[in-house]
Amino acid sequence: GQNIDQPTEMTATEGAIVQINCTYQTSGFNGLFWYQQHAGEAPTFLSYNVLDGLEEKGRFSSFLSRSKGYSYLLLKELQMKDSASYLCAVRRNRDDKIIFGKGTRLHILP
Amino acid sequence: DVKVTQSSRYLVKRTGEKVFLECVQDMDHENMFWYRQDPGLGLRLIYFSYDVKMKEKGDIPEGYSVSREKKERFSLILESASTNQTSMYLCASMTDNTDTQYFGPGTRLTVL
Repeated sequence: GQNIDQPTEMTATEGAIVQINCTYQTSGFNGLFWYQQHAGEAPTFLSYNVLDGLEEKGRFSSFLSRSKGYSYLLLKELQMKDSASYLCAVRRNRDDKIIFGKGTRLHILP
Repeated sequence: DVKVTQSSRYLVKRTGEKVFLECVQDMDHENMFWYRQDPGLGLRLIYFSYDVKMKEKGDIPEGYSVSREKKERFSLILESASTNQTSMYLCASMTDNTDTQYFGPGTRLTVL
């Protein structure tokens, strides 16, 4: 089976840094995705980690530890437009299915 | 730019009706997916397809079927709609060569 956990909601202040954690337990692991989803819109791809370590893309970074079954998405210099849900998803290697967590709703305060 | 389109943004149907949700992608992607998204439950995989005429069950296939007669089109079928199938339905596509899944805008289906 599989289990993907992330916090339901988080709140942060404009200009600050926020870290959204995701832990997973899955039978076979092939990589971990992060998606951003604004209310009423489709998810958009942010990052995909296969190997351990930190990958940086502008204000967003994603970290993976395969041995710990743990990832985080780090958002720097928060802007109001970053208010959205952030979805963690795991790709299983036995059937290539992509399984999503329930998402973390991030609220940005001015 | 990859484009994934879905036939309707909003749809209202009655219990027992047969419902077709269409998804089309224009980037020659091999893989296509149907998810439903519900508050508190996140995105759940209904069916996916690796190639034309091929389909695989996801985690919640009950009450649904799919059709992939052409590479660019993946249809989700509700044979007899029920109220518990009221949800947001999201289609996605992905090529074998990248790890990016592109989503359509979603269809919000209400079954009365």
